[in-house]
Amino acid sequence: AQSVTQLDSHVSVSEGTPVLLRCNYSSSYSPSLFWYVQHPNKGLQLLLKYTSAATLVKGINGFEAEFKKSETSFHLTKPSAHMSDAAEYFCVVSVKKKLTFGTGTRLTIIP
Amino acid sequence: DAGVTQSPTHLIKTRGQQVTLRCSPKSGHDTVSWYQQALGQGPQFIFQYYEEEERQRGNFPDRFSGHQFPNYSSELNVNALLLGDSALYLCASSLQGGGETQYFGPGTRLLVL
Repeated sequence: AQSVTQLDSHVSVSEGTPVLLRCNYSSSYSPSLFWYVQHPNKGLQLLLKYTSAATLVKGINGFEAEFKKSETSFHLTKPSAHMSDAAEYFCVVSVKKKLTFGTGTRLTIIP
Repeated sequence: DAGVTQSPTHLIKTRGQQVTLRCSPKSGHDTVSWYQQALGQGPQFIFQYYEEEERQRGNFPDRFSGHQFPNYSSELNVNALLLGDSALYLCASSLQGGGETQYFGPGTRLLVL
């Protein structure tokens, strides 16, 4: 079985400052890990994915995530927040194409 | 390149009724998964279809059923609707031999009164 824990339900940062969204996972298998973003009243958009290649993964819109097996973590970062980054972010673990989602982190950007 | 499409976008039903939601996968994809996202929560896996058969199922009752057609499109059926079935229903598509990445449609928002 697999599970995902997003450590912060809500993160607020000022525009232009760094973003850190934290995620820990548990999986019986070697997992694939994803971050998805959901803007209000929209579907889910894939930000980035880790599938056992490079541990530092680059995604769209300047986001990155680092896979740390020893810490079972997959934290999402961005050097400089933009107003358009305000959304709900989900950390996801996938095993045999069954996705298990975290509870989400709501990112608020302060102008 | 058409992405994942879902219909309808919104739906209002009353308790006890039945509903059918539809999904067309991204071009070239052959696997469709359905998820339920209740308000304020993360999506929960309902089931997955490949080669017109249900391949995996999450912890949902038999009131939730599905179908996949030869053109890979899929339907989600929910019988005997309950108030608690009100949610955003998301469809995701992928290629069976193409790794774990799934792409989501915009969802169908179901309100049960």
